[in-house]
Amino acid sequence: GAVVSQHPSWVICKSGTSVKIECRSLDFQATTMFWYRQFPKQSLMLMATSNEGSKATYEQGVEKDKFLINHASLTLSTLTVTSAHPEDSSFYICSAPPFGRIYGYTFGSGTRLTVV
Amino acid sequence: GQNIDQPTEMTATEGAIVQINCTYQTSGFNGLFWYQQHAGEAPTFLSYNVLDGLEEKGRFSSFLSRSKGYSYLLLKELQMKDSASYLCAVRQNQAGTALIFGKGTTLSVSS
Repeated sequence: GAVVSQHPSWVICKSGTSVKIECRSLDFQATTMFWYRQFPKQSLMLMATSNEGSKATYEQGVEKDKFLINHASLTLSTLTVTSAHPEDSSFYICSAPPFGRIYGYTFGSGTRLTVV
Repeated sequence: GQNIDQPTEMTATEGAIVQINCTYQTSGFNGLFWYQQHAGEAPTFLSYNVLDGLEEKGRFSSFLSRSKGYSYLLLKELQMKDSASYLCAVRQNQAGTALIFGKGTTLSVSS
């Protein structure tokens, strides 16, 4: 089945630094990748959609200069949290849409970001 | 606007049957998905409904009524490992567009 590999699984960074999160589709090509953020006991909130070969589309209220999204190839999408602050601490997770006979969306394993 | 509602928490005992309801009001509709998520892990796909009716898959079944904006996930023969959060999600537009998630229902199964 489809697999999306997400790294790192967890990261602790100092306030003001940047953190890059990678999502790779291992056995299929993902022209689109969705990035979600989940706070404790909250739902997954869509942040942005990355598309290979074009600019990412951001949801209302998400700062595009703070959350840089790049879809470098058909198998790699990255999210960079720039100048991280403690309020950016959250669970970030990527998701690729269904393809072929697969109905479900494929999720990465998630990245727990803690900014201290 | 868009709104997807689910109960926040539910409890049940091993071997029982539990039904998790989801109501939605969205600008468009092109499928409803149920996912299971254990704490700190990625969601795993459980079921998909796009037409009215019941979809059965082993111990899990999902029902959809588009006219009522309503779905439920039915879990039978509950096991302790079924303790998790269950997420209802709607795809509003064409295939390949993002899912919009409800807040999730935390199910606790006790012995």
